[in-house]
Amino acid sequence: ILNVEQSPQSLHVQEGDSTNFTCSFPSSNFYALHWYRWETAKSPEALFVMTLNGDEKKKGRISATLNTKEGYSYLYIKGSQPEDSATYLCAFIVGRDDKIIFGKGTRLHILP
Amino acid sequence: NAGVTQTPKFQVLKTGQSMTLQCAQDMNHEYMSWYRQDPGMGLRLIHYSVGAGITDQGEVPNGYNVSRSTTEDFPLRLLSAAPSQTSVYFCASSYSRTPSYNEQFFGPGTRLTVL
Repeated sequence: ILNVEQSPQSLHVQEGDSTNFTCSFPSSNFYALHWYRWETAKSPEALFVMTLNGDEKKKGRISATLNTKEGYSYLYIKGSQPEDSATYLCAFIVGRDDKIIFGKGTRLHILP
Repeated sequence: NAGVTQTPKFQVLKTGQSMTLQCAQDMNHEYMSWYRQDPGMGLRLIHYSVGAGITDQGEVPNGYNVSRSTTEDFPLRLLSAAPSQTSVYFCASSYSRTPSYNEQFFGPGTRLTVL
């Protein structure tokens, strides 16, 4: 059974502070890793699709890095804003099977 | 483009009843999938399809059937509903047959309660 772990489960961050959290996945049979942002009462929306070891992606104040050899990805948020409050999901793609395994998410709360 | 649409938005069933959750996309996406979302469990893959006529099982397929007769539609059937199937169901699609290189687009979800 493939395991995709996200930590921490929940995080409270003061507005204006920067933060980061982790997605750990099996380092063998890696095909791709996706990050999604999921706001309450909405559907998940894609942030990044990462495929190569050493990938760094950026979208505004949010960025992500990928280390496929050791099996982890970091998501960084710089200068947190209230609209960043959401659950952040990572998804590991099992290439041979075309299956997508999601982590349980990191729930981020931005404190005013 | 409507994107990914799901119907119904809410449904209440009695144990043993059957029903079909509808999912459609108008983006000509090859890959479609169904997930269920339960508290503390994240999104779990039920079934997926890499193209019309092809379906496969995900992590939690028991109690569910799918078919993919067209590129656009990917219905999920509950054969005999059980309280354990109370959940929020999301349908998603992505452009190519393999989901590796393309983001998934999610529908708005169907909230199902089985009494």
